[in-house]
Amino acid sequence: DAGVIQSPRHEVTEMGQEVTLRCKPISGHNSLFWYRQTMMRGLELLIYFNNNVPIDDSGMPEDRFSAKMPNASFSTLKIQPSEPRDSAVYFCASRGLPLETQYFGPGTRLLVL
Amino acid sequence: AQKVTQAQTEISVVEKEDVTLDCVYETRDTTYYLFWYKQPPSGELVFLIRRNSFDEQNEISGRYSWNFQKSTSSFNFTITASQVVDSAVYFCALSEGGSEKLVFGKGMKLTVNP
Repeated sequence: DAGVIQSPRHEVTEMGQEVTLRCKPISGHNSLFWYRQTMMRGLELLIYFNNNVPIDDSGMPEDRFSAKMPNASFSTLKIQPSEPRDSAVYFCASRGLPLETQYFGPGTRLLVL
Repeated sequence: AQKVTQAQTEISVVEKEDVTLDCVYETRDTTYYLFWYKQPPSGELVFLIRRNSFDEQNEISGRYSWNFQKSTSSFNFTITASQVVDSAVYFCALSEGGSEKLVFGKGMKLTVNP
């Protein structure tokens, strides 16, 4: 079975540009999580969805960040406008039943110049 | 509030040495889950193990073993006879019973030299 799929794997953009990160969870998983990893702050949960509904977005840094999950097999994380401090690795994870293990995608490495 | 502490930031060993990675957690819940993930140089996060708070039985999987002790709030990870392929950053994580959130430690970078 395919794992969590993320695209793009690498993104280089200029400050002020819009960035869209994509995630396809494992089939049958009904929860999806977006994390950000930086050297300074480590791994942080940004937002998570249960059954396509956003449950907790308290980790989203600011209004420039938004996330959607239009259906069970697709989610996006958008940054508009992007800033150099948004440079990080963004991970998507999914899980099946409540409180079970989260499985992570390969991550998107974002560099904002 | 939940918290995970991995006091060691970096360890370097020679192949075939045993190495133990420490993890100390804080939680007020009686029901919680503990995890270890591995992040190799390629960058992905690989799940290794999940333990719930009611199961203190230690676990062994090949060269990997985990020691869960509620009395000291620790969930330590030992690699026996380390290999170069074990070189990675290892993360300990915690989720409380009523929460979906995974709280990660800062990670510990293990380098196994030939």
